[in-house]
Amino acid sequence: DGGITQSPKYLFRKEGQNVTLSCEQNLNHDAMYWYRQDPGQGLRLIYYSQIVNDFQKGDIAEGYSVSREKKESFPLTVTSAQKNPTAFYLCASMGGGPQETQYFGPGTRLLVL
Amino acid sequence: QKEVEQNSGPLSVPEGAIASLNCTYSDRGSQSFFWYRQYSGKSPELIMFIYSNGDKEDGRFTAQLNKASQYVSLLIRDSQPSDSATYLCAFERGDSTLTFGKGTMLLVSP
Repeated sequence: DGGITQSPKYLFRKEGQNVTLSCEQNLNHDAMYWYRQDPGQGLRLIYYSQIVNDFQKGDIAEGYSVSREKKESFPLTVTSAQKNPTAFYLCASMGGGPQETQYFGPGTRLLVL
Repeated sequence: QKEVEQNSGPLSVPEGAIASLNCTYSDRGSQSFFWYRQYSGKSPELIMFIYSNGDKEDGRFTAQLNKASQYVSLLIRDSQPSDSATYLCAFERGDSTLTFGKGTMLLVSP
């Protein structure tokens, strides 16, 4: 089955701890994205990557970091500098052809202990 | 800041009725527009995309785009209780990223 997987489904973070969210896709898509969604809010872009070994900050990158060492993988680290990390985190990918759009993984819900 | 505006709702319609969801956007340069459906606790799924002025139909769904008025809408005919969800409007910013609205909650009552 082709698709986007995210793990874990739920993640708990302790004060001062860095945590990493996994995102993997087997769609052979070049571009990958990380969004954050808070209750009653739309999606806000954290980071995106259009090609391996390259990524750009989105609208709310502070307190987050990413890497893109492989085409299939785009992990997101929520660092201790992110003071309000509780949210629903969504990973998406997009192919490189004309009139392409973004497809989403199932999401990871991050909660602070 | 390029923005998308949507009425948060909830929009309540009876089963079998037409649901009309609306969205306005601020970036006149936008070329691509998308409607996503999001069930509670789940990730968004693509419903429709539209690039040209006018209407685009896919089954019970019709997307309408008016670039002059910076307005895009989604019509759902013969609404079903299973259509109850939040509908997110988005436009492409020109760098392969999307800007999303906050979504409109639709409730379809049996």
